[in-house]
Amino acid sequence: DAKTTQPTSMDCAEGRAANLPCNHSTISGNEYVYWYRQIHSQGPQYIIHGLKNNETNEMASLIITEDRKSSTLILPHATLRDTAVYYCIVRGISSGSARQLTFGSGTQLTVLP
Amino acid sequence: DSGVTQTPKHLITATGQRVTLRCSPRSGDLSVYWYQQSLDQGLQFLIQYYNGEERAKGNILERFSAQQFPDLHSELNLSSLELGDSALYFCASSLAVLDSGEQFFGPGTRLTVL
Repeated sequence: DAKTTQPTSMDCAEGRAANLPCNHSTISGNEYVYWYRQIHSQGPQYIIHGLKNNETNEMASLIITEDRKSSTLILPHATLRDTAVYYCIVRGISSGSARQLTFGSGTQLTVLP
Repeated sequence: DSGVTQTPKHLITATGQRVTLRCSPRSGDLSVYWYQQSLDQGLQFLIQYYNGEERAKGNILERFSAQQFPDLHSELNLSSLELGDSALYFCASSLAVLDSGEQFFGPGTRLTVL
């Protein structure tokens, strides 16, 4: 699985968009970008994933650059409940059964009132 | 609520003791993963079971073992406990027939070794 680099921490004003960057310059062609978050010692929660096209779901949008070397997770209207550690994970999908996730240090996002 | 349950929520024990953590995966999920989260090591993968069989091992100590039962619940056994084993232990599950990368995590068990 390719290595990822994320800022240690970020702040965002409540109601504004939170843009969390992730660098993954060694990503290979069959590796996906996943985002999980962990709210204060709770179990991590899946947010979104993508391969090369931009993706959007009810929680967030994922923008992957054309060269796939970086991506941005966007929370369109951050709330205080979005304060969490956000993990960017780059991982291939095996042709067989699923396998583990490798978590880095993540970005501590603090949404300010 | 992810659908994954873990018991107990908190566990306090002494060094040298043995404990068992229990995990019930989401209904229909065949794969169970155990992760450890300590302050200095972050979230680390320990072991994966798929439909009762061990599938992958991560940074799991020899003092730790796990199993998955026919009803698909899993137990993580930690023995000869040391102070450094104090951590949050998470269980996650996934369907695992197709590797989507999406895992569902339980609320965790906080283990304190005194």
